[in-house]
Amino acid sequence: DIQMTQSPSSLSASVGDRVTITCRASQTISSYLNWYQQKPGKAPKLLIYAASSLQSGVPSRFSGSGSGIDFTLTISSLQPEDFATYYCQQSYRTPLITFGQGTRLDIK
Amino acid sequence: EVQLVESGGGLVQPGRSLRLSCAASGFTFADCALFWVRQAPGKGLEWVSGITWNGGMIGYADSVKGRFTISRDNAKNLLYLQMSSLRVEDTALYYCAKAGTSWYEIDNWGQGTLVTVSS
Repeated sequence: DIQMTQSPSSLSASVGDRVTITCRASQTISSYLNWYQQKPGKAPKLLIYAASSLQSGVPSRFSGSGSGIDFTLTISSLQPEDFATYYCQQSYRTPLITFGQGTRLDIK
Repeated sequence: EVQLVESGGGLVQPGRSLRLSCAASGFTFADCALFWVRQAPGKGLEWVSGITWNGGMIGYADSVKGRFTISRDNAKNLLYLQMSSLRVEDTALYYCAKAGTSWYEIDNWGQGTLVTVSS
């Protein structure tokens, strides 16, 4: 099984900050890495797919990078609506997929 | 518009069974891999099971292997999860989710159906 390890598990930041979340796979997954945002009481929302492709309708302040084992989600300038929990997920072994444990982003 | 509507959740005693359904519309159901993903109260996302477009490949999380069975009916646009020998730790909101066809990202989610296992 492919394990996904996110860091940090929680993060406090201010509006306007640049924030980076990392995700590491236990084996190479090429670019089959996706990022989701989840707000309380809501289903997750796709932000980035294929490691760096921005999902339609997602603001350009979100970006993703990486390939192989190490990946990064960056929010260039935090907005109030960005405070949420973020998950990475590998789809390399579909239908056997895996999520990271999540990163909770709070207001400082 | 893509819609995924889960049903079948509820309160069940440990050791009993439950079947979840997911009714899909707004896309070519037979083209897509599908998943069940659950989220226990206050916890993260956990993949439960997945099935490819034709059922040719199926996978289960170790936590449910041997107890849960995923299936799909491409003629009726329905996805199922048969859950047996339910445990208290299976209590969660269960999401039905659809994969994109190139990178298999989850591009649509249902709103979830709550399963509570308790005596």
